[in-house]
Amino acid sequence: EVQLVESGGSLVKPGGSLRLSCAASGFTFSNAWMNWVRQAPGKGLEWVGRIKSKTDGGTIDYAAPVKGGFTISRDDSKSTLYLQMDSLKTEDTAVYYCTTGGKVGSWGQGTLVTVSS
Amino acid sequence: QAVVTQEPSLTVSPGGTVTLTCGSSTGAVTSGHYPYWFQQKPGQAPRTLIYETSNKHSWTPARFSGSLLGGKAALTLSGAQPEDEAEYYCLLSYSGARVFGTGTKVTVL
Repeated sequence: EVQLVESGGSLVKPGGSLRLSCAASGFTFSNAWMNWVRQAPGKGLEWVGRIKSKTDGGTIDYAAPVKGGFTISRDDSKSTLYLQMDSLKTEDTAVYYCTTGGKVGSWGQGTLVTVSS
Repeated sequence: QAVVTQEPSLTVSPGGTVTLTCGSSTGAVTSGHYPYWFQQKPGQAPRTLIYETSNKHSWTPARFSGSLLGGKAALTLSGAQPEDEAEYYCLLSYSGARVFGTGTKVTVL
């Protein structure tokens, strides 16, 4: 069974940092392109960024609002995806999901990040 | 950044058919945008229904189908069930970046 389990969400002050993790199981993580998606309270889905598999070059792309502040990485030996978030703003408050596309097509349950003073 | 537009809301009768569309501010949507469709019910994580225009997952009910229609991506629900009441989002790819649509609230009434 495919599982994606996010962790690391919490309350953080504006300007602070946080690292989210996404533990994957049930599929060949090293071959998967992985995404981060977020959803602010009562709002729609927003794509945050994507990291390709190393065999496909490992390219990372980010949405414009997070470029320069967020960093996506992966540890294929641990089947884990990461999202390092720096210089957080109140508008980064959201549930953060990790997802994979293609034939696997799974989503985690999400982890809540609240940026507030 | 491109803007991806969807109908804000649609209503379908039980057993009826409804088509949701997904348009791009940059022009016609093609298979090269690798359209995805997601369903999200209140309080739940989204789930993927359709990937790369028309491919279904094992959990995708047969009544859902994806296509390209009139320069847009389309999701057709044929034989709507009460449990299909949800928010539906499309996702398009633009040379690396991806953009979600604005979402369509489907009511089965």
